[in-house]
Order: sequence, then C-alpha cells, then structure tokens
Amino acid sequence: DIQMTQSPSSLSASVGDRVTITCRASQNINNYLAWYQQKPGKAPNILIYAASSLQSGVPSRFSGSGSGTDFTLTISSLQPEDFATYYCQQSYSARLVFGGGTKVEIK
Amino acid sequence: EVQLVQSGAELKKPGESLKISCKGSGYSFITYWIAWVRQMPGKGLEWMGIIYPGDSDTRYGPSFQGQVTISVDKSTNTAYLQWSSLKASDTAIYYCARREQQLVGDFYHYYMDVWGKGTTVTVSS
Repeated sequence: DIQMTQSPSSLSASVGDRVTITCRASQNINNYLAWYQQKPGKAPNILIYAASSLQSGVPSRFSGSGSGTDFTLTISSLQPEDFATYYCQQSYSARLVFGGGTKVEIK
Repeated sequence: EVQLVQSGAELKKPGESLKISCKGSGYSFITYWIAWVRQMPGKGLEWMGIIYPGDSDTRYGPSFQGQVTISVDKSTNTAYLQWSSLKASDTAIYYCARREQQLVGDFYHYYMDVWGKGTTVTVSS
C-alpha cells in the first residue's frame, strides 16, 4: 500500500505568516493528491484536489503544488480561521490513504 | 442541499455488536462512492473502506479488512458500518464521506467533498 508522510507534524505561526506543509508519497502518485482542513470537533473539509486545483469556495490564499512523490500545501497569509489540522490524501490507488496530519497552531 | 446524516453517539461494551448509519440526501445516492473514515481520540484520519451503492462493490483498508463490514441499502439511501464484536480500541469518531470525481486534463481525480458530522463510538466496560 501507498504510504503518505507529512511534515512537520505541527508548527507554530502568526497571523500573516506564509505557511508551507509537505507531504511525501512512498511511490509515484503523479498528481493524485488532495488536501483537507479539519478544525477541532468538526469533520474535514476539502481544500485542494489533483495536487493544485482549488475546491470551489476555498480562499485563494491556499495553494497546492507538486507531482510524483513530493507535494506542498501553502497558505500565503495565515488568517485566524486557518488554525487547524491539515491532511493530505492520495487518490492514485483505490485505498485513499491519508497522511498523518499537520497541526497549525498560534504562535 | 447535499448532505450525509449520521446516526447518533453510541456507548457499548466490549464484545457487543454495533451498526452505525449514514443517510445521503440531495443527490443521486447510488452514483457516488461512500467512504468511512476513523479518527481515534487525539489522532489523525484513517481511511477504512469504501462502497459503491449502485452495485455494493466494496473495498477495505488493510487494517480494517475482516474487522468491520460496510454495506448499503439503496432503497433508503443509507450506508452502514458494522462490528460483530467491539473492542475498547474501536473507540473513535467515525465519519462517512462522499467521493467526488473531477476531470482534470484527461484523467479523473477523486476526493471526499461531502462529510457527515461523525458518529462517536465509545467502547468501555
């Protein structure tokens, strides 16, 4: 099975900061990669699919890049509502495995 | 409005059986795969498995094969996740989610676009 590894597992940042989260796949998954945001006590919410396609309604400060095994989620200017946990998920294989998550906390 | 409505919280004892539900509305239920995702207390998301309501084709994650059963009732637009004998380690929040597909270039990409609010399952003696 494909394994997904995120880094860092947590980070502290301030409002207005540029934040980058990395996700690495254990094998080539082309651009079959999605990113989700989860806030405490809530279900996850899709942000990006196909590595770089922004889901409708998601603010443009979120962007994704990468292909093959290495991917990045970038928040260009962190807002108070962005403090949450972020997960990547591969969709190359039928078993849609998630990464371990990155918690973005307030500095 | 497209939504998935999950059944309520459960408190069970080890060894008991359980079946939780996820009812879809506002869309053609039989044409979208429904996935189940586990989140243990303070932990990340784990993909358990997925079912296609149109023909009940089901796939399981390796850690969940043989541990749970995913099923569907097309007549009521409801997907189910069940256990025959619960363990304390099954304590978690369980989410159902709809799998969307989008054509990007020449290929379809898949992601979970609609989620239920989650069902909290607590297993304790």
